Amino acid sequence: NAGVTQTPKFQVLKTGQSMTLQCAQDMNHEYMSWYRQDPGMGLRLIHYSVGAGITDQGEVPNGYNVSRSTTEDFPLRLLSAAPSQTSVYFCASSLQGQVGEQYFGPGTRLTVT
Amino acid sequence: GEDVEQSLFLSVREGDSSVINCTYTDSSSTYLYWYKQEPGAGLQLLTYIFSNMDMKQDQRLTVLLNKKDKHLSLRIADTQTGDSAIYFCAERSGSSASKIIFGSGTRLSIRP
Repeated sequence: NAGVTQTPKFQVLKTGQSMTLQCAQDMNHEYMSWYRQDPGMGLRLIHYSVGAGITDQGEVPNGYNVSRSTTEDFPLRLLSAAPSQTSVYFCASSLQGQVGEQYFGPGTRLTVT
Repeated sequence: GEDVEQSLFLSVREGDSSVINCTYTDSSSTYLYWYKQEPGAGLQLLTYIFSNMDMKQDQRLTVLLNKKDKHLSLRIADTQTGDSAIYFCAERSGSSASKIIFGSGTRLSIRP
């Protein structure tokens, strides 16, 4: 199993550009989530999904969209990038009911100039 | 609201024990977790404890839970250079089983 994969590893955007961060898992996990990690602030939940076709907002959803058309994929879209979205983004997945036992991807480091 | 707090840094001599502390506010937390993040990598679950337990031991790791004081600690015995990492405490919210709340992480550095 590849586990949780994320692409790209690094990205630089200009203010106002849009892009999609990709996340995929091959463990047949129902639960998937996106976090951002900023220095001294730990991980903050952006959006999560408990299954295909079901998504919900986390703590910091503004400026981000998600969709879950398949069990495997959970892309995160930045509609109009802002410097405040400069961060490291992590995707994670787990079995339903075991949300604390998440498997994390390697992260995407995003810089918005 | 729910909050999880940790100190940001800890420095320990190689071979000594490391104790990383965490406090949380949600008295209805069901599970509490410790994750490890090595440089340039994602988080990896180390261990967890159910809220009705006081202690859990797993090889060099010991988790202590004081539910009355809402205090969680992770003890790493015989700390090695490979233990250098950021350690995150997290709780599973009692009010929302679909989320976990992370602390800000404690950076553990090992000195010779």
